[in-house]
Amino acid sequence: AQSVAQPEDQVNVAEGNPLTVKCTYSVSGNPYLFWYVQYPNRGLQFLLKYITGDNLVKGSYGFEAEFNKSQTSFHLKKPSALVSDSALYFCAVSPYYTDKLIFGTGTRLQVFP
Amino acid sequence: DADVTQTPRNRITKTGKRIMLECSQTKGHDRMYWYRQDPGLGLRLIYYSFDVKDINKGEISDGYSVSRQAQAKFSLSLESAIPNQTALYFCATRDGGNEQFFGPGTRLTVL
Repeated sequence: AQSVAQPEDQVNVAEGNPLTVKCTYSVSGNPYLFWYVQYPNRGLQFLLKYITGDNLVKGSYGFEAEFNKSQTSFHLKKPSALVSDSALYFCAVSPYYTDKLIFGTGTRLQVFP
Repeated sequence: DADVTQTPRNRITKTGKRIMLECSQTKGHDRMYWYRQDPGLGLRLIYYSFDVKDINKGEISDGYSVSRQAQAKFSLSLESAIPNQTALYFCATRDGGNEQFFGPGTRLTVL
């Protein structure tokens, strides 16, 4: 079965420290991978995507993600966290032969001053 | 995202009532989607549409129906609402690069 796992319900980090939000997937073939962010009372906003090419993808607001095919992972990273990064983050995968997104359950990022 | 709008933003209704949630987009995308979000479950796909004549069930379509009135409009209906349909509902469109664009959501409460 195709799935996306976000093993941490919540990640806490101090402002200025690096952050990582983990994502692993189980999809046949070469998937498209995405990260979205949801702020309170808002819809999801696109952060970045991996389709092909360089395994390190840079996105909005200083975020980046590293695609690791052997570990089937697509972890979200940022070198220096901001309090304003506090939000709910979703990893999603689109199998290459479909137009659908499969979402993980989300990870709440809390950045403390 | 102002390009994808949803009405109403909040709705409280009673069990057994018929409810329609509406979605409009100005992005000119053919592909549109309806999701529901529940705490701890992420987003799950209810229905999706590739164009006005092409509508497909998602993973949790039971109890829901949709109508694609035009390229820009995609409505979700609950024919007889039940309490476990209480959730946050999102409409989305998709561009040619596989990116999806989400509306602000409709918070539905079924009493």
